[in-house]
Amino acid sequence: SQQGEEDPQALSIQEGENATMNCSYKTSINNLQWYRQNSGRGLVHLILIRSNEREKHSGRLRVTLDTSKKSSSLLITASRAADTASYFCATDGTGYSTLTFGKGTMLLVSP
Amino acid sequence: EAQVTQNPRYLITVTGKKLTVTCSQNMNHEYMSWYRQDPGLGLRQIYYSMNVEVTDKGDVPEGYKVSRKEKRNFPLILESPSPNQTSLYFCATGQGLGNTIYFGEGSWLTVV
Repeated sequence: SQQGEEDPQALSIQEGENATMNCSYKTSINNLQWYRQNSGRGLVHLILIRSNEREKHSGRLRVTLDTSKKSSSLLITASRAADTASYFCATDGTGYSTLTFGKGTMLLVSP
Repeated sequence: EAQVTQNPRYLITVTGKKLTVTCSQNMNHEYMSWYRQDPGLGLRQIYYSMNVEVTDKGDVPEGYKVSRKEKRNFPLILESPSPNQTSLYFCATGQGLGNTIYFGEGSWLTVV
């Protein structure tokens, strides 16, 4: 099955800085979703971007999608300590009935 | 309020003792799914259901069973648990894959 791969695996920044995480996938998709997971907790949905969209915003979050490169990025602006979490991209592709996750980026935001 | 409720949240059990992890949603969603999350392996889909009485295998279905008799419930059954099923389990629901998928808080399962 296809899989998103996040990059970097881990990211450490200071409060106020921007954090950028990337996701690459292998085959055509219908949609791509980004999730946040605090340690040992459930996944919280952040943004869904469809294959015909190039960019979406939600508060301090900006997601881009480049289907020609099969990649997406999640930008968190003006990061806060509370943004410390793991971030996952998940894709569902043409003909698939499953949401496939990457292994995530661990983000640490230090005060 | 949209809710995906899993029970139990934490369980330690012994090898071979059948157990069921329940999942219930109050959003009238058609799509429900179970994932397991393991260090270094990420989230992997176990089973999914597109609607009542319709279930299908995900990537790692061995050792698990599911049923979908009602729209709101999607229990995960471990008939004879083994230590390699020690994991964090998540139930997920949505109104189809083209829409937001909501996750429960997770169930920590340890099989000794």
